[in-house]
Amino acid sequence: GNSVTQMEGPVTLSEEAFLTINCTYTATGYPSLFWYVQYPGEGLQLLLKATKADDKGSNKGFEATYRKETTSFHLEKGSVQVSDSAVYFCALVPSGGSYIPTFGRGTSLIVHP
Amino acid sequence: EAGVTQSPTHLIKTRGQQATLRCSPISGHTSVYWYQQALGLGLQFLLWYDEGEERNRGNFPPRFSGRQFPNYSSELNVNALELEDSALYLCASSFGQANQETQYFGPGTRLLVL
Repeated sequence: GNSVTQMEGPVTLSEEAFLTINCTYTATGYPSLFWYVQYPGEGLQLLLKATKADDKGSNKGFEATYRKETTSFHLEKGSVQVSDSAVYFCALVPSGGSYIPTFGRGTSLIVHP
Repeated sequence: EAGVTQSPTHLIKTRGQQATLRCSPISGHTSVYWYQQALGLGLQFLLWYDEGEERNRGNFPPRFSGRQFPNYSSELNVNALELEDSALYLCASSFGQANQETQYFGPGTRLLVL
């Protein structure tokens, strides 16, 4: 079956540090890949997505590149802010069949001033 | 444009009772997805409705059920509640199938089973 594996958290960084949150997936075919963010007390919001290999999704300074060869979709940001503190979820949606999303367990990011 | 709305925001029930959760999708969206977010387990897919039909369900027992109404709003029913059903239940909607279309999430209903 499909699966998404994210690095365990929490990830704790100082403001302006570089962020990487690893995400790898298992799926047949060419799934679409997503990063969602969940701020405290809120629902999930789409952060960025990529629908085919080598696509780069970007938003609010965050980037992730769809790497088919390594089945990865790592999230990066060059300089984090305190307001980026949240839980980040990597997800995939298969390209055929059920179209049911599979989410990773989430990675908590804590940014200190 | 209004986002996805869910009601109630919080729900407290006791074991064996039934819970009904409601979701209104974004106007024009025909697909509604339900997820369970239990502590430490991430999001688990529950149900997918599209155009009034149940299209798929996740690995949950039959006491988790739901429906989608002609206006595309949806209900999730959980019968014979168990303590481990305590979780945040999230609803999401999309214009079409989720592989290409972005899902928009509601704020969730937090269910506590005592």
